[in-house]
Amino acid sequence: QKEVEQNSGPLSVPEGAIASLNCTYSDRVSQSFFWYRQYSGKSPELIMSIYSNGDKEDGRFTAQLNKASQYVSLLIRDSQPSDSATYLCAVVSGTYKYIFGTGTRLKVLA
Amino acid sequence: ETGVTQTPRHLVMGMTNKKSLKCEQHLGHNAMYWYKQSAKKPLELMFVYNFKEQTENNSVPSRFSPECPNSSHLFLHLHTLQPEDSALYLCASSSNRGQETQYFGPGTRLLVL
Repeated sequence: QKEVEQNSGPLSVPEGAIASLNCTYSDRVSQSFFWYRQYSGKSPELIMSIYSNGDKEDGRFTAQLNKASQYVSLLIRDSQPSDSATYLCAVVSGTYKYIFGTGTRLKVLA
Repeated sequence: ETGVTQTPRHLVMGMTNKKSLKCEQHLGHNAMYWYKQSAKKPLELMFVYNFKEQTENNSVPSRFSPECPNSSHLFLHLHTLQPEDSALYLCASSSNRGQETQYFGPGTRLLVL
């Protein structure tokens, strides 16, 4: 059974701090990795995609991928209360085989 | 995100009813997906269509019946559902390469009484 694991949280960080969200996956052949943000009662929206080892930065967000260790992380710098949401990690383990984690709930405290 | 729309947004139905969920994408994608999202559970991929052809059916009960008349429209027909089928049903689309970003619709919140 291919799995994607995330700590459900909640992860609480003060406003302005760095939030670090982690995700591990079981299928070594996974090639595509995504972070989605989901506000309560809303649908997931894409934050970052990453396909190769290393870091990828987009504004306050940095995705990090380590295929050898089978983990992908998301860093949010200068966290804002509006970042409070559930963050979903998604891994593609074959054509059309998208597998999601249960998500980590982030709370940014003002 | 208006690229993927879903109707209705909310649905309450009895176990003997028949209803349909509709999804439409305006992104020029060729792959469309149905997901189920229940509380405390990860998104569950139900069906995948690529160029109108079903490519995945993840052991979904037959009371859920998908239909994809063209690359822009996707339906999920519901009949004789159970209370445990109450969930948020999400439609998504992507390019047809099967490993690209998925874009989600707003979802249909379904309650089965």
